[in-house]
Order: sequence, then structure tokens, then C-alpha cells
Amino acid sequence: EIVMTQSPATLSVSPGERATLSCRASQSVSSNLAWYQQKPGQAPRLLIYGASTRATGIPARFSGSGSGTEFTLTISSLQSEDFAVYYCQQYNNWPLITFGQGTRLEIK
Amino acid sequence: QVQLVESGGGLVKPGGSLRLSCAASGFTFSDYYMSWIRQAPGKGLEWVSYISSSGSTIYYADSVKGRFTISRDNAKNSLYLQMNSLRAEDTAVYYCARWSDYWDYWGQGTLVTVSS
Repeated sequence: EIVMTQSPATLSVSPGERATLSCRASQSVSSNLAWYQQKPGQAPRLLIYGASTRATGIPARFSGSGSGTEFTLTISSLQSEDFAVYYCQQYNNWPLITFGQGTRLEIK
Repeated sequence: QVQLVESGGGLVKPGGSLRLSCAASGFTFSDYYMSWIRQAPGKGLEWVSYISSSGSTIYYADSVKGRFTISRDNAKNSLYLQMNSLRAEDTAVYYCARWSDYWDYWGQGTLVTVSS
């Protein structure tokens, strides 16, 4: 099983500032990585796939980078609606998909 | 627009059974793999099962293998999850989601609580 490790567990950032979330895979997943956003009481929403491609309707302030084992989700200027939990997920080892444990992005 | 609507959750005793349904609309259901994914209260995401577009290929997580059965009816644009021998650790919100190498659309989820 590929283990996905996200850091930090909680990130406190002020609105308007940049947030950088990290995700590490225990072995290479190439660029087969997705990011999801989940707000309380809601289903996850796909943000990024292929490590860096924004999903339909996702604002340009969200960007993804990385390949192999190290990945980053950057939110360039935080809006109030961006405070949520973010999950990374590898799909290189399909069907044994694995998620990271999540990073909670909170208002500082 | 793509819509996935789950139903069938509820409270069930350990050892009991429950059948979840997911009604799909806004896309050609028979073209896509579909999945069930669950999230225990306050916890992360765990995939449960996949089914291919025709229903001929199925995968289960080890945690549910032998107890859960995924199926679909392409004529009704519906996905199902039959859950037997339920355990307390199966308590979770269950989401159906469309698979496109990643899960691009999710339902709102249905809560399954296993408790005596």
C-alpha cells in the first residue's frame, strides 16, 4: 500500500495570505495525484488532478505542483470560503487508492 | 449537470444489513466506473468499492470484502451497495462518486450508524 502523508496537520493562515500544503508518497506515484477540498457537512470536491491540472470551475488561485513522491497545493490569496480540510489522493496504484490524512486550513 | 443522490442510510444493529442506493443524472451513467467511499465521524476518507461501467469488474477494500456487494443498474442509472454483517466500525457517511482516474463528482452522502 502506498502511504500518503500530509503536512502540516493544521495550518493557520490569515485571509489574503498564501497557503502551502504538502503531501508525500511512500513511493513514486508519478503525477497520478489529486487534491480535494472538504467543508464541514459537505462531500469532498475535486480541486486538482494529474498533480497540477485544475478541475472544472476551480479558481486560478489554487495550484498544484510536484511529481514522484513530493507534492504541493498552493492557495495564492486565501478567501474566507477556502478554510476547509484538504486531502491528497494517489491513483497510481489503482485500485488500491489511498488518501492522505488531511490538512485542516484554519483562519489565523 | 452531474448529480449523484444517495439514500438508504440509517441506524442498524451489529450483524444487521442495509442497502444503499445512488441515483445518477446529468451524464451517461453506463460510460463510467462508479465507487463507494466512506468517512467515519471525524476521520478521513476510505474507498470501499468500485464497479466497472458494465458491472463486470468489481473491487473491494479488504475491510469490507465478503460482507459488502456493489452492483449497478445502467437502465435505471443507479448504483447500489448491499452491506451485510455490519460492524460498529462500518459507521460512516457513505458517498457514491464517479470515477475518472480520480473522483470527479460526489454525492452528498448518507449516514450509516451501526449500534445496539
